[in-house]
Amino acid sequence: EAGVTQSPRYAVLQEGQAVSFWCDPISGHDTLYWYQQPRDQGPQLLVYFRDEAVIDNSQLPSDRFSAVRPKGTNSTLKIQSAKQGDTATYLCASSLTGSNERLFFGHGTKLSVL
Amino acid sequence: GQQVQQSPTSLVLQEGENAELQCNFSTSLNSMQWFYQRPGGSLISVFYNPSGTKQSGRLTSTTVIKERRSSLHISSSQITDSGTYLCAMERTNTGKLTFGDGTVLTVKP
Repeated sequence: EAGVTQSPRYAVLQEGQAVSFWCDPISGHDTLYWYQQPRDQGPQLLVYFRDEAVIDNSQLPSDRFSAVRPKGTNSTLKIQSAKQGDTATYLCASSLTGSNERLFFGHGTKLSVL
Repeated sequence: GQQVQQSPTSLVLQEGENAELQCNFSTSLNSMQWFYQRPGGSLISVFYNPSGTKQSGRLTSTTVIKERRSSLHISSSQITDSGTYLCAMERTNTGKLTFGDGTVLTVKP
């Protein structure tokens, strides 16, 4: 069984540039999460979906960040105008609702904003 | 303040020594999990532990939900145990996790 796949693995931007991160969850997992993990800190939830619906995006900086999951499978997280403070690893995770299964994480996209 | 406090922040052991990692929660929780992360690697769930004690090989997790604490015990540490151990809590039955900042474990030969 394939795990959670993310791309790209690394991204380096200048401030003001845009970037998109892509996530392919484990097949059949209805819940998908995006976390932001600054260096030497734990992951912090940005947004999560159940199927194609956004369940909680309260921690997503809505002026510059957006996330979609149009068909309830793959998801894209976009930063419209990156800032140095966005430097972090962006992790995608998926799970199956109601099974008390653990979350499965991808390797993440390491973003550096110069 | 942080809802999930982990201690110690870092730990250095000689191979073969035991380790005890602590996690304390400032709010009530539904369940918690322990994760392991290598530098540059993804998070791997080690234990999903609503309450009680679970063991897997050399790892033992003990969680007391009503006291808002959990511990991870590593016996006879090995060099390959090195990495960051993160605990996370779930407040409602949504799978939405709040993480601590982790304990960085280094096991030396």
